[in-house]
Amino acid sequence: QSALTQPASVSGSPGQSITISCTGTSSDVGRFNLVSWYQQHPDAVPKLMIYDVDKRPSGVSNRFSGSKSGSTASLTISGLQAEDEADYYCYSYAGNPYVFGTGTTVTVL
Amino acid sequence: QVQLVQSGGEVKKPGASVRVSCKASGYIFTDYYMHWVRQAPGQGLEWMGWIKPDNGATSHTQKHQGWITMSRDTSINTVYMELSSLRSDDTAVYYCARESGSRMDVWGQGTTVTVSS
Repeated sequence: QSALTQPASVSGSPGQSITISCTGTSSDVGRFNLVSWYQQHPDAVPKLMIYDVDKRPSGVSNRFSGSKSGSTASLTISGLQAEDEADYYCYSYAGNPYVFGTGTTVTVL
Repeated sequence: QVQLVQSGGEVKKPGASVRVSCKASGYIFTDYYMHWVRQAPGQGLEWMGWIKPDNGATSHTQKHQGWITMSRDTSINTVYMELSSLRSDDTAVYYCARESGSRMDVWGQGTTVTVSS
């Protein structure tokens, strides 16, 4: 099972919207609506931001949204803020083994 | 509140073993799978395995076959991960994370394991 593919970096100016893609296969992202996204600031613990493709846990800003088309899932951050600068990882259930995405560094210009 | 508290950092020599603990509180321990995820310096997240606390069943990647042992003690709501035959590239932060419906919703604070001669 290979890691899900994400762009290494995405950047945007404050207030803009950015989208991070997460490409898998018909065995993982394409098969299950069980994609989640995690935010990790430097030297911090990963934090769940989106689950089941498009659901937000309590307390997560509605500026974060998720979607899926075929074998590619996406995380969109709207109204980009300085605090959104972090690494983001996708994850899709696919039975065993569990696989994370390669990770994307978001930079706020 | 729901919380996972891990044991402190470790420094080990190559070839040694290390055991990391993860104590759960604030929820019914046996109701949720627990996963182990590691992150080498400057690298991404790598899933290592899970344990089902109610019956102790485990699963891990083929890569970790014969190298990782996961266990639990239900009397103290704690899971353990032991790694043997450590190498320098096992230097990483190791996290335990609770699974809730195919997502990891609660994470431990991480345990740094450094392997160095």
